Amino acid sequence: GAVVSQHPSRVICKSGTSVKIECRSLDFQATTMFWYRQFPKKSLMLMATSNEGSKATYEQGVEKDKFLINHASLTLSTLTVTSAHPEDSSFYICSARDQGLAVHFGPGTRLLVL
Amino acid sequence: DAKTTQPTSMDCAEGRAANLPCNHSTISGNEYVYWYRQIHSQGPQYIIHGLKNNETNEMASLIITEDRKSSTLILPHATLRDTAVYYCIVRIQGGSEKLVFGKGTKLTVNP
Repeated sequence: GAVVSQHPSRVICKSGTSVKIECRSLDFQATTMFWYRQFPKKSLMLMATSNEGSKATYEQGVEKDKFLINHASLTLSTLTVTSAHPEDSSFYICSARDQGLAVHFGPGTRLLVL
Repeated sequence: DAKTTQPTSMDCAEGRAANLPCNHSTISGNEYVYWYRQIHSQGPQYIIHGLKNNETNEMASLIITEDRKSSTLILPHATLRDTAVYYCIVRIQGGSEKLVFGKGTKLTVNP
């Protein structure tokens, strides 16, 4: 079946630094990828929709300058958390839509900002 | 906002069928019902989806009412590994095809 990977699986960084998370569709092309954030014991919150070759569409309340999204190819989207702060600590999950319109989720990246 | 409502939690005995309900009373005619589950600290896993007919696959069955305002996910023989949060999602049609998650149902399968 279709596989989506994320790297890294977990990362710890210092406050003020930037962190890049990669999302890859391993065996299919994805013109659209989605980024979610999940706090402990909460549901997934959609942050943005990433479209290959164009600017991402951010959900209301999500700062586009804080969470930089780049979808440079049909198999890779990246989320960069800029100037990370402890409140950005969360579980970040990406998903990718295949050409059959099915959506496949990555395993998630746990970010801890100290 | 999510367009579905689900019970917050449910319990099920191992080996028994788990029936998870979902209400989606405002579903549109061209919207599908999708079910995903999320085991602790993992990404969501696709289970099944349907439009109006009942569906079955190797994981589960999906029963959609005739008026399409509610559905039930059935795990025929629940195991301990089925303990997870189950999300019922109405898929928004459109170019972005984004999935909006509600709070889901925490299913606990007990030995």
